[in-house]
Amino acid sequence: EDQVTQSPEALRLQEGESSSLNCSYTVSGLRGLFWYRQDPGKGPEFLFTLYSAGEEKEKERLKATLTKKESFLHITAPKPEDSATYLCAWVAGGFKTIFGAGTRLFVKA
Amino acid sequence: DAGVIQSPRHEVTEMGQEVTLRCKPISGHDYLFWYRQTMMRGLELLIYFNNNVPIDDSGMPEDRFSAKMPNASFSTLKIQPSEPRDSAVYFCASSLARISNTGELFFGEGSRLTVL
Repeated sequence: EDQVTQSPEALRLQEGESSSLNCSYTVSGLRGLFWYRQDPGKGPEFLFTLYSAGEEKEKERLKATLTKKESFLHITAPKPEDSATYLCAWVAGGFKTIFGAGTRLFVKA
Repeated sequence: DAGVIQSPRHEVTEMGQEVTLRCKPISGHDYLFWYRQTMMRGLELLIYFNNNVPIDDSGMPEDRFSAKMPNASFSTLKIQPSEPRDSAVYFCASSLARISNTGELFFGEGSRLTVL
């Protein structure tokens, strides 16, 4: 069964403490692996799309990478405003976008 | 652009009542998605439309749920009769076909439904 699994479920960091979030996938014919950010009380907000193994995308303190089995969202020197839930997602045929369970990130000043 | 607009933002209702959630997609977008989010099940796709036509409704949990898109600027998700287990945040999202394969969906702020 095609699926994505995100880990850890929650991550607590001190400001400036770099770390990575993981999204492992078992999807045949992956057409793209997507990362979203969701703030409390808001809808998810698109961050990145990765299409092929070895691809990397960056935005401010975030860098997303993709291998043949997993994607990482690296957070360098995080700030409290980076606290949010980070979701990975994939397209399951047509435009049917399926989301993982997410990783809740807490960054303490 | 105002983004995806959903109403109501909060709805509290009694079990057995009909609930209608509304969505106005971004102008010009030709894909519209309805999602439901709960702590237990995360973000689940219920149904999506292309050019106002339902394409995949396999995520609609029961016959109590129905969705319509009478025109390009309006969609509704209706629950009749509502049950306590329907309590969740319901999100609407829209996208353009030419960018949908980039995974970029634009979400509204959601409608929080509580069924007592």
